[in-house]
Amino acid sequence: EVQLVESGGGLVQPGGSLRLFCAASGFIFGEHYMDWIRQAPGKGLEWVGRIRNKPSGYSTEYAASVKNRFTISRDDSKNSIYLQMNSLRTEDTALYYCARSSTGWSNWFDPWGQGTLVTVSS
Amino acid sequence: DIQMTQSPSAMSASVGDRVTITCRASQGISNYLTWFQQKPGEAPKRLLYAASTLQSGVPSRFSGSGSGTEFTLTISSLQPEDFATYYCLQHNSYPPTFGQGTKVEIK
Repeated sequence: EVQLVESGGGLVQPGGSLRLFCAASGFIFGEHYMDWIRQAPGKGLEWVGRIRNKPSGYSTEYAASVKNRFTISRDDSKNSIYLQMNSLRTEDTALYYCARSSTGWSNWFDPWGQGTLVTVSS
Repeated sequence: DIQMTQSPSAMSASVGDRVTITCRASQGISNYLTWFQQKPGEAPKRLLYAASTLQSGVPSRFSGSGSGTEFTLTISSLQPEDFATYYCLQHNSYPPTFGQGTKVEIK
């Protein structure tokens, strides 16, 4: 069974940092791109960023709202991806999901993990 | 960025009703359109991709159509477990963008 499990969320002050984790199982991790998507409380979905796989150079893409503050990395030996979040703002408060995507353009965001909650507040 | 506009934002419907949700893209996205269902307290679940391809395990009462800028999600006969929020997603170009969601509530 394909499974994604996020962790690392918590309460952090504005300007602080936090690192989120996503552990994957049940599929060949190295064949897939991985994404982070977030959802502010009571709001809609916002894509955060993507990390491609080794054949694609582990390249990354980011939403403008997080570029230069957030960094996505992966460790294929641990079937995991990470989201390093720096210079956090109150508007970054959200439930953060990781999701699997294929390497093509047709097959995105399936499945999703259960999410980990990040609260940025003083 | 490509803007995705869903309509309606919310609706009330009864079990057995035919429900149609529309998603419009601010520019052409071919068929790079995916539909998700989200129930309260749960992660989104993919229903259809490539505008009209049903995800494995999803009931056949769900269907999708469209190409270019206009897309629809249809539930042919609404079931109690279908009351949820539905989102469309365009992934024709970066950044991928979601519609604002359509909440389907019980009438």
